[in-house]
Amino acid sequence: GESVGLHLPTLSVQEGDNSIINCAYSNSASDYFIWYKQESGKGPQFIIDIRSNMDKRQGQRVTVLLNKTVKHLSLQIAATQPGDSAVYFCAESGGSYIPTFGRGTSLIVHP
Amino acid sequence: DTAVSQTPKYLVTQMGNDKSIKCEQNLGHDTMYWYKQDSKKFLKIMFSYNNKELIINETVPNRFSPKSPDKAHLNLHINSLELGDSAVYFCASSQAGDSTYEKLFFGSGTQLSVL
Repeated sequence: GESVGLHLPTLSVQEGDNSIINCAYSNSASDYFIWYKQESGKGPQFIIDIRSNMDKRQGQRVTVLLNKTVKHLSLQIAATQPGDSAVYFCAESGGSYIPTFGRGTSLIVHP
Repeated sequence: DTAVSQTPKYLVTQMGNDKSIKCEQNLGHDTMYWYKQDSKKFLKIMFSYNNKELIINETVPNRFSPKSPDKAHLNLHINSLELGDSAVYFCASSQAGDSTYEKLFFGSGTQLSVL
């Protein structure tokens, strides 16, 4: 069936490094993608989104890249900080407007 | 002010009991959702509800039922609780729910433990 998944369940980086979190999706009808950040004990929070008519979108320290050819999405975090430690989810909306979430990647930032 | 609030934060109960989790949003959104997050952090949609329709994930047991007294509230009722129901339940809302481009706003979760 259709699924949204992540390549790496855990990513460890040093403070100040750049982080890249990847996501593969299989629903070719998806045309809206969102990254969420979930800190311990909290609900997921919106970080950045991208529509399928774009291949790159930048926010503050974060960039989302979309490669529709290989159905791949990535979240890049520049100059990673300890406060970036969290679980990151990609989500897609396609034929249904209800976002479907991937499995999540735990980002651990070492000081 | 908390945009999406759910209570209780923690819920510990015995198998077979009936329990409810409440959710309220003060964002003026039209659509509310319930998600279940398992121990591996996987987030699974359970329900989506606006004033037009209820969309139910067909894999959700009918022991689970959403109740919406008004568009700012979507409560989750669970009958005959089972061990496998233990999880974190998240309420969320979005502005319209009739567009593909919906950002979700989540509550802080209710950790349900069934003993």
